Amino acid sequence: DAMVIQNPRYQVTQFGKPVTLSCSQTLNHNVMYWYQQKSSQAPKLLFHYYDKDFNNEADTPDNFQSRRPNTSFCFLDIRSPGLGDAAMYLCATSKESPGLAYNEQFFGPGTRLTVL
Amino acid sequence: AQKVTQAQTEISVVEKEDVTLDCVYETRDTTYYLFWYKQPPSGELVFLIRRNSFDEQNEISGRYSWNFQKSTSSFNFTITASQVVDSAVYFCALSEDFSGGTSYGKLTFGQGTILTVHP
Repeated sequence: DAMVIQNPRYQVTQFGKPVTLSCSQTLNHNVMYWYQQKSSQAPKLLFHYYDKDFNNEADTPDNFQSRRPNTSFCFLDIRSPGLGDAAMYLCATSKESPGLAYNEQFFGPGTRLTVL
Repeated sequence: AQKVTQAQTEISVVEKEDVTLDCVYETRDTTYYLFWYKQPPSGELVFLIRRNSFDEQNEISGRYSWNFQKSTSSFNFTITASQVVDSAVYFCALSEDFSGGTSYGKLTFGQGTILTVHP
């Protein structure tokens, strides 16, 4: 089945130690998103890629970076994780075309990040 | 700015009861899209429905139904004859029409409603 895959499902890192979360998709969608969801809160968009174009949300900390080497893969890099970065990180994809607005996003299972 | 309000933080029902989850939104856009997502304990957000602002028809899908009322900016979700498997967090979300623009796919989520269905 076509799907959005996130690895690992659980990630533990130390305060200040860089960490990378990965997302892959078999849907061939051109847009990929990264959301941060803290406990009992709504998901919050960090950034997204439309094809190779990177779009950063204005309030996303510089500590968070992303890479999309190809259509299928997207990475979230946290350069120096702080305790406040402990959260669920959700990757999503959608297929968009100019002049059309569908925006049905397909989400992966998420990676739960713990910062010690 | 867009805003989605889900006033009910938690709802608890007994199996087979009907339950309605409320969603009220604010937007200046004339064209927009409304969504409901379900997030079970496993964490994955599961798409339930999309409705565009021009389509005010109510929709029914099995035990699920949605009532979109543009006049009151509401998009409520009803589960009929609830089941234990319906226990989850439900999010209402709003996105603007980005066709031709650059704000692709930004979903504004409500705070979510935790639904617990007891056997």
